Amino acid sequence: QKEVEQDPGPLSVPEGAIVSLNCTYSNSAFQYFMWYRQYSRKGPELLMYTYSSGNKEDGRFTAQVDKSSKYISLFIRDSQPSDSATYLCARIENSGGYQKVTFGTGTKLQVIP
Amino acid sequence: DAGVTQSPTHLIKTRGQQVTLRCSPKSGHDTVSWYQQALGQGPQFIFQYYEEEERQRGNFPDRFSGHQYPNYSSELNVNALLLGDSALYLCASSLGGSDTQYFGPGTRLTVL
Repeated sequence: QKEVEQDPGPLSVPEGAIVSLNCTYSNSAFQYFMWYRQYSRKGPELLMYTYSSGNKEDGRFTAQVDKSSKYISLFIRDSQPSDSATYLCARIENSGGYQKVTFGTGTKLQVIP
Repeated sequence: DAGVTQSPTHLIKTRGQQVTLRCSPKSGHDTVSWYQQALGQGPQFIFQYYEEEERQRGNFPDRFSGHQYPNYSSELNVNALLLGDSALYLCASSLGGSDTQYFGPGTRLTVL
């Protein structure tokens, strides 16, 4: 079982829709999570990070962590064509005194005008 | 403020050859991590350099090696290239033990 799993998509939604992107993880060690956005032919850029269970909001983006079910989500409200990209979830855990970062495979999102 | 830069942008090599990729970290950052991203996959951690030493390493063979210079810039070297080494190679920089990494645009390596 992969440490972090994502549905690769692609996910197509109309402009203005609410988008839900999800990841599951398998390890229960102390850890926290990040969401990255990657446009085609570009490097990933950090969107949000969350340390604990519950919600964290930043503009149109909300990150949610449910540690009991090992499920993390990113919601995008009022989606725009410019949100079309691949979204990567990443789990960060302390390993031997350093942060170990494990990425999911990414979900490709297309927002149709 | 310059972000993370990588060179070259694209590279084509043949099997068995050796390649060197370069990375300049974001201004003020002292830690450089390298990732391999195959098509349709998430980035896979190769190794991390801090104070000119390899601090941690992912599950990659010894054909993958690196170096960090006193100005914090870094190189990734891959020997005896295989077709499966074709991927986007990403460099990410951070400050010390921070988990907030800033990625460069990557170098796309094609092995024929």
